[in-house]
Amino acid sequence: SQQGEEDPQALSIQEGENATMNCSYKTSINNLQWYRQNSGRGLVHLILIRSNEREKHSGRLRVTLDTSKKSSSLLITASRAADTASYFCATDPLSGSRLTFGEGTQLTVNP
Amino acid sequence: NAGVTQTPKFRVLKTGQSMTLLCAQDMNHEYMYWYRQDPGMGLRLIHYSVGEGTTAKGEVPDGYNVSRLKKQNFLLGLESAAPSQTSVYFCASSYGWRSANYGYTFGSGTRLTVV
Repeated sequence: SQQGEEDPQALSIQEGENATMNCSYKTSINNLQWYRQNSGRGLVHLILIRSNEREKHSGRLRVTLDTSKKSSSLLITASRAADTASYFCATDPLSGSRLTFGEGTQLTVNP
Repeated sequence: NAGVTQTPKFRVLKTGQSMTLLCAQDMNHEYMYWYRQDPGMGLRLIHYSVGEGTTAKGEVPDGYNVSRLKKQNFLLGLESAAPSQTSVYFCASSYGWRSANYGYTFGSGTRLTVV
C-alpha cells in the first residue's frame, strides 16, 4: 500500500477560499514533499518539509508536519481557479527506499 | 528550458509489441526514475538509476527493462506489451540521495495504450 494517503480525495471550493489537504503516512521519514499535477501534465514540486521542521511557508502555501501523528497538511490560502489540480504528498522514508507518493487530492476551485 | 523531456507523448501498441520510452534531462542529475500512474493507484516506481551505468528495481518492475548508458538519458523498455501496461508513464530526476533538498523534477508523461 502507499506510504502516504491524502484526505480528502476530492475538494471543491470557491475562488478566494482556503483549501486544506491532509496527508497521513506510516513509517518514519526524512522529509515530506508536496507536488501539484495539472490535468494531463507531470508533477511539479511545491514544497519540502524536513522531519525536524513543524511548519513551512512558500507564497500562498503553508505546510505543517506532525511526526508524532505521522501527518502533514497543505493549506492554500486565497485560492484561485488556476490552483485547480491534483495535489500529492510524497514521503522520503528513513528506511532508504525511494520517494513514495500518495493517491492525491483533486482540488477544484470554482471562479 | 532546462528540465526532463519524455518521448513519445502518446503511443498505442498491440499486445506483444515492443517499444522504448526515452527520458532525457539536462540538469546534470545523478538520479533518474520511471513511474507509472494509474487511477486509484497513485504513482508507482518501476525502475530507477543512481548514476550512469546503474539501474535498480522499484515497486513494479515486472515486464519492463531499463538502461542508463548516458547520464542524461534513461530508457524504459517494454519487451512484450500487455494490456495491463496501459498507463501514463512519468520519468523524474533528482540531484542525489534522498531527493536532496530539491525534490524531483518530472517530465510531462507518456500516455501508453496497449490493445
